[in-house]
Amino acid sequence: NAGVTQTPKFQVLKTGQSMTLQCAQDMNHNSMYWYRQDPGMGLRLIYYSASEGTTDKGEVPNGYNVSRLNKREFSLRLESAAPSQTSVYFCASSEAHAGVTEAFFGQGTRLTVV
Amino acid sequence: GENVEQHPSTLSVQEGDSAVIKCTYSDSASNYFPWYKQELGKGPQLIIDIRSNVGEKKDQRIAVTLNKTAKHFSLHITETQPEDSAVYFCAAPPGDSWGKLQFGAGTQVVVTP
Repeated sequence: NAGVTQTPKFQVLKTGQSMTLQCAQDMNHNSMYWYRQDPGMGLRLIYYSASEGTTDKGEVPNGYNVSRLNKREFSLRLESAAPSQTSVYFCASSEAHAGVTEAFFGQGTRLTVV
Repeated sequence: GENVEQHPSTLSVQEGDSAVIKCTYSDSASNYFPWYKQELGKGPQLIIDIRSNVGEKKDQRIAVTLNKTAKHFSLHITETQPEDSAVYFCAAPPGDSWGKLQFGAGTQVVVTP
């Protein structure tokens, strides 16, 4: 059982380049998330998808777009990468119910923008 | 929205001693408080959680306490072992959007033999 799978694991981009981070989960969860993790700032929510066909902005959505391709897959796109987007990106999924949200995280994508 | 503050940012303990990490939250409507552990190079993983109708919950060497009046909750690790070395995050969802977790800044715990 793979859980949450992210690709790629590492990426170096030049300023202005674009790329898509891929995420897939095999737990049949309705909700999926993209977070970024920066030193001393914890995990900050970029975008959230409560269910297939819906997406919602999180705390730091500027410079990113997302696509909930189907129930399994949720991709994050950087249209024009900037050095400020250097970070570790985590995808997560959960089945929120009765006020409980156990999120399962992928291994992360370490992105460097030069 | 929800604001979660976590202290301390780093914690060094001797093996066998206890470790305590504290978090405060701002949204009085929040009712679910998980703790995640992140090992080096991995994604965070849920280790324990507590709902607002419970004051304390234990699972072997870890426990979480919640004070809803003061809006703070704490993680307690007893008899620490080297494998407890990791970054720990507290989290809370906003009361009006409990699918979105707001995370604290994290605590780096180092257990020295």
